Amino acid sequence: GENVEQHPSTLSVQEGDSAVIKCTYSDSASNYFPWYKQELGKGPQLIIDIRSNVGEKKDQRIAVTLNKTAKHFSLHITETQPEDSAVYFCAASRGGSYIPTFGRGTSLIVHP
Amino acid sequence: KAGVTQTPRYLIKTRGQQVTLSCSPISGHRSVSWYQQTPGQGLQFLFEYFSETQRNKGNFPGRFSGRQFSNSRSEMNVSTLELGDSALYLCASSLGGLDGTDTQYFGPGTRLTVL
Repeated sequence: GENVEQHPSTLSVQEGDSAVIKCTYSDSASNYFPWYKQELGKGPQLIIDIRSNVGEKKDQRIAVTLNKTAKHFSLHITETQPEDSAVYFCAASRGGSYIPTFGRGTSLIVHP
Repeated sequence: KAGVTQTPRYLIKTRGQQVTLSCSPISGHRSVSWYQQTPGQGLQFLFEYFSETQRNKGNFPGRFSGRQFSNSRSEMNVSTLELGDSALYLCASSLGGLDGTDTQYFGPGTRLTVL
């Protein structure tokens, strides 16, 4: 089955810095890669996603890149703010499988 | 559109008891998945229901069961509770498509504490 590795497990940055979280996947048939943000006491919320026919996608301060050859994808957050502090999860899924495989999560701490 | 709702938000039970959690999906979504989240294990998939049928199942013991109703609402039941069942139980709904690009939307979760 699919295996998703996520790094780092903890990331501490200063407000205004950029943050990058990386994930690798094992199943070359995976074609959809969502990213979720989970704040304390809440469920994960979708923040951005990318499909395998696209190499990069941006939404304001957030961007995701996908390298299908290397089987890895990354979340980039620019100009970080304290409210970006949360746990971020990556996931990968493929056709015929309705359930995404999640990474173990990255705790992002943005210091004011 | 209203999001995924879960009830109750918090539960405290003792070992040996059973518990039922409820999830109402986003209107129009036919798939409901359940996850267990603990600090050490991350998001662990329990099962997925689509049109009242269990379509996918994770590696949990038979004490964990679920069902889905005709209006897509779902319930999850845990019998003979153990201390290790203490966790945040998350429900996620989606349209249920099979092309791999089906987005899951999560509810706020039910925090279960077993004493």
